[in-house]
Amino acid sequence: DAGVIQSPRHEVTEMGQEVTLRCKPISGHNSLFWYRQTMMRGLELLIYFNNNVPIDDSGMPEDRFSAKMPNASFSTLKIQPSEPRDSAVYFCASSFSSQETQYFGPGTRLLVL
Amino acid sequence: GDSVTQMEGPVTLSEEAFLTINCTYTATGYPSLFWYVQYPGEGLQLLLKATKADDKGSNKGFEATYRKETTSFHLEKGSVQVSDSAVYFCALRDTDKLIFGTGTRLQVFP
Repeated sequence: DAGVIQSPRHEVTEMGQEVTLRCKPISGHNSLFWYRQTMMRGLELLIYFNNNVPIDDSGMPEDRFSAKMPNASFSTLKIQPSEPRDSAVYFCASSFSSQETQYFGPGTRLLVL
Repeated sequence: GDSVTQMEGPVTLSEEAFLTINCTYTATGYPSLFWYVQYPGEGLQLLLKATKADDKGSNKGFEATYRKETTSFHLEKGSVQVSDSAVYFCALRDTDKLIFGTGTRLQVFP
């Protein structure tokens, strides 16, 4: 089992650029979660999907953030335009259902200069 | 709303010492409780969980008991190892979402 796969593992970009983070959930999992981790705010849930449908995006900080899940094996989190305060580690997690144990990917460390 | 409060870190211990990391929660319903561990440069891994009052979760020598009367889920280990050095997160789930505490860094020295 490959686990949750995230890419890239590290991203350095300049303010104003578009950033796209990618996630491949564990095969057979129907729920997918995007989290952001910062020193100041800890771990925050941004959005989650059940069966490719966004269920709760109340954690998405602003309109600059968007997430999609076009199929059961792929999701993206996009920031456009990026700002220095978006610098954080972004985690993707998946589970069989939203009530089951979540398995986390290794994260993408984003630095916006 | 629901929330989780963890003790401040870092916690610094010598190998074979006893570990306690305190966690209390606030929830309107009957949440499931979790401890996750994050090793340097990695994502979070589920360490243990408990789904109802008085349940004890255990794994790799770690234990935590769901105490409804004190709304607590303290993590304990009788003898820590250097390899246990990591950040530990307490979390609750009431409906679909996990709500995490701020994390407690544990440093174990030989």
